[in-house]
Amino acid sequence: EVQLVQSGAEVKKPGESLKISCKGSGYSFSTYWIAWVRQMPGKGLEWMGIIYPGDSDTRYSPSFQGQVTISADKSISTAYLQWSSLKASDTAMYYCARHIGLTTGYLDYWGHGTRVTVSS
Amino acid sequence: DIVMTQSPDSLAVSLGERATINCKSSQSVLYSSDNKNYLAWYQQKPGQPPKLLIYWASTRESGVPDRFSGSGSGTDFTLTISSLQAEDVAVYYCQHYYNTLWTFGQGTKVEIK
Repeated sequence: EVQLVQSGAEVKKPGESLKISCKGSGYSFSTYWIAWVRQMPGKGLEWMGIIYPGDSDTRYSPSFQGQVTISADKSISTAYLQWSSLKASDTAMYYCARHIGLTTGYLDYWGHGTRVTVSS
Repeated sequence: DIVMTQSPDSLAVSLGERATINCKSSQSVLYSSDNKNYLAWYQQKPGQPPKLLIYWASTRESGVPDRFSGSGSGTDFTLTISSLQAEDVAVYYCQHYYNTLWTFGQGTKVEIK
């Protein structure tokens, strides 16, 4: 069974750093792209970027380029999303999802989400 | 960027009745080389992650009830729930994947009348 298990909820202060994770199981983690998707409170879905764990090839949405860093460790089947300096506007639910396709495609399995709250 | 616009923003349908959600893209998402529409539909129930329903505009994901169907081509697409069930209350999103700048529609909230 394909599963994506995300790290737990985080409460941070503005300016702090954060790295959240997404561990895949039940399939060949290295051979499928993983996407990160943001959902701000009460809002819709926004694609942030994708990574191919096999070689760490990464593509960012222009809206998120330079704002976050996506990485992966294929040896432990885990993808990461990190911030160096959080802002209150980063408060959101963040989902990872398995991406079907090459650099473009649809998302067939989703993690349960990691809620990030940034507040002073 | 291709902009995806859904209509309506919300709709209320009686149990057992048909629900129809529209999604319009600002440019065609039909690739002439493979004659496929690069369009997916997702369902998001309250407190849950999104779930893939439909890809290639009309291919139902494994396990999705056949009351869900997708249609359309080019720039205009439709998700139809043929007989609304209580468990279908959710927000539905379309997504294009025609190029690497894929985007979602704003979502359509489906409720019971």
